[in-house]
Amino acid sequence: DIQMTQSPSSLSASVGDRVTITCRASQSISSYLNWYQQKPGKAPKLLIYAASSLQSGVPSRFSGSGSGTDFTLTISSLQPEDFATYYCQQSYSTPQVTFGQGTRLEIK
Amino acid sequence: QLQLQESGPGLVKPSETLSLTCTVSGGSISSSSYYWGWIRQPPGKGLEWIGSIYYSGSTYYNPSLKSRVTISVDTSKNQFSLKLSSVTAADTAVYYCARLSAGIAVAGSPYFDYWGQGTLVTVSS
Repeated sequence: DIQMTQSPSSLSASVGDRVTITCRASQSISSYLNWYQQKPGKAPKLLIYAASSLQSGVPSRFSGSGSGTDFTLTISSLQPEDFATYYCQQSYSTPQVTFGQGTRLEIK
Repeated sequence: QLQLQESGPGLVKPSETLSLTCTVSGGSISSSSYYWGWIRQPPGKGLEWIGSIYYSGSTYYNPSLKSRVTISVDTSKNQFSLKLSSVTAADTAVYYCARLSAGIAVAGSPYFDYWGQGTLVTVSS
């Protein structure tokens, strides 16, 4: 099984800050990595697919990078609506997929 | 617009079987570009993939749940279903159904692009 580890588990930041979240795979997954945003009481929303491709309709302040085992999600300038929990998901072994444990982004 | 809707009991007794159905509307479950999956989220915790099914009936399960999970599809009703047996309190969670897109547009990295709203299932006597 491919394990996904996110860091940090939680993060406090202010509006306007640049934030980076990391996701590490237990083995190389090439670029088969997606990022989701989840707000309380809602289903997750796809932000980034294939490590760096921005999903349609997602603001350009979100970006993704990485390949192999190490990946990052960056928010260039935090907006109030960005405070949420973020998950990475590997699709290397599709249709058997794995999520990271999540990173909770809180307002400082 | 594609929509997915989970349905089923919100309360299940320990040792019994949890049964949920996902009804897909606004599109066909029989498309070759998609898998259909179940994901759960215990209160205050992260997402756990349970399993996925292809319209042909091929199934793929999380190894940690494989012995207790059965996912099936009914293409005539545009539905797929989840059964989880021998449940305990640890199976209390919000259960989501979702579409896993795996066509050319995903750049080789299939993703969940449509989700149901989720349904809370509590395991308690």
